[in-house]
Amino acid sequence: QKEVEQDPGPLSVPEGAIVSLNCTYSNSAFQYFMWYRQYSRKGPELLMYTYSSGNKEDGRFTAQVDKSSKYISLFIRDSQPSDSATYLCAMSALISSASKIIFGSGTRLSIRP
Amino acid sequence: DTAVSQTPKYLVTQMGNDKSIKCEQNLGHDTMYWYKQDSKKFLKIMFSYNNKELIINETVPNRFSPKSPDKAHLNLHINSLELGDSAVYFCASSQDMRGYTFGSGTRLTVV
Repeated sequence: QKEVEQDPGPLSVPEGAIVSLNCTYSNSAFQYFMWYRQYSRKGPELLMYTYSSGNKEDGRFTAQVDKSSKYISLFIRDSQPSDSATYLCAMSALISSASKIIFGSGTRLSIRP
Repeated sequence: DTAVSQTPKYLVTQMGNDKSIKCEQNLGHDTMYWYKQDSKKFLKIMFSYNNKELIINETVPNRFSPKSPDKAHLNLHINSLELGDSAVYFCASSQDMRGYTFGSGTRLTVV
């Protein structure tokens, strides 16, 4: 079993729709939970991070963490064509004074105009 | 100013050759990483250095050798390149567990 599981998609929704992206994980040692966005032929960029269970909102993006279920989500409201990208969930644990981030396999999202 | 810069962006080389990829960060971060992203977009950690000291060394063939001359630089040397080494290699840096800053990647194609 992979440490982090993410549905690879692809996911295609019309502009303006609410998008829900999800990941599950198995390692209780993970402390920080992140979402990255990766455009084609670019490096991943950090969208949001959360530390504890609950919700965190940033503009049209909401990250949700449920540590008891080992489940995290990213919601995108009023989706735009510019949101079309691959979204990677990621989780970090501390190993020998360095953080180690494990990534999900990424969900390819396409927003249709 | 690019925060994490990698060179070269593209690398096409023949099997059996030796090549190096360079990475520099100007963020003052203590930790740097090499990740490999395969054709299915899966990002897998290879190495991590904290203040020039090797911290994480995943199960990577010993043909791959990282070198960190100082905490702002982390290079990756690959000997005897194989077809299966074709991938995008990302350098990243971080100061804590809240996330990394990635470079734009080096697309390696072995023919």
